[in-house]
Amino acid sequence: QSALTQPRSVSGSPGQSVTISCTGTSSDVGDYNYVSWYQQHPGKAPKLMIYDVSKRPSGVPDRFSGSKSGNTASLAISGLQAEDEADYYCCSYAGSYTGVFGTGTKVTVL
Amino acid sequence: QLQLQESGPGLVKPSETLSLTCTVSGGSISSSSHYWGWIRQSPGKGLEWIGSIHYSGSTYYNPSLKSRLTISVDTSKNQFSLNLNSMTAADTAVYYCATHRGDIVPMVFANWGQGTLVTVSS
Repeated sequence: QSALTQPRSVSGSPGQSVTISCTGTSSDVGDYNYVSWYQQHPGKAPKLMIYDVSKRPSGVPDRFSGSKSGNTASLAISGLQAEDEADYYCCSYAGSYTGVFGTGTKVTVL
Repeated sequence: QLQLQESGPGLVKPSETLSLTCTVSGGSISSSSHYWGWIRQSPGKGLEWIGSIHYSGSTYYNPSLKSRLTISVDTSKNQFSLNLNSMTAADTAVYYCATHRGDIVPMVFANWGQGTLVTVSS
């Protein structure tokens, strides 16, 4: 299992939109609609933002949305706010009751 | 709302075994709907799924750690534990316990502990 590939960083101004990609293989992202996304502020535990590719847990703003095409999943953040500045990680089911995380993306609000 | 709290040594010597415990509050670890997992994060690095367990004792391990790893559950104490042997500097990380959202598949972690830093050094 290799970590899913994410861009090291993305940035945007308040109010703008950013998109984070998460590229895997046909054995993980491409084979299952089981991609989740986590937000992690410095020194804090990760927080679930998206699961099953595009579902939002209760309490997560609808500014956060997820999608998938082929072996690549994406997290979009619209109406960027200062509190969205954090690290974001994707995670995919990889078969045989195993999971694999992405390399992580730092989102900077300019 | 489930709450999870990791506990264990902050410092482990090379070649020794790491033992961590996660105490669950706000709910029963024996709920059939709950699976419990361990995830780690090396300093400045990304997240790595270590393994997961159901209260029945069924375990699911990361293949890269399987030969060194044991995860167990103690329902009487509402706790689950991780043992990782033959520790090296590469195992230095913040270790998190978490609860799955629903079944083991789709491997979604809904609630996380605050994490505990484990350093491997002589």
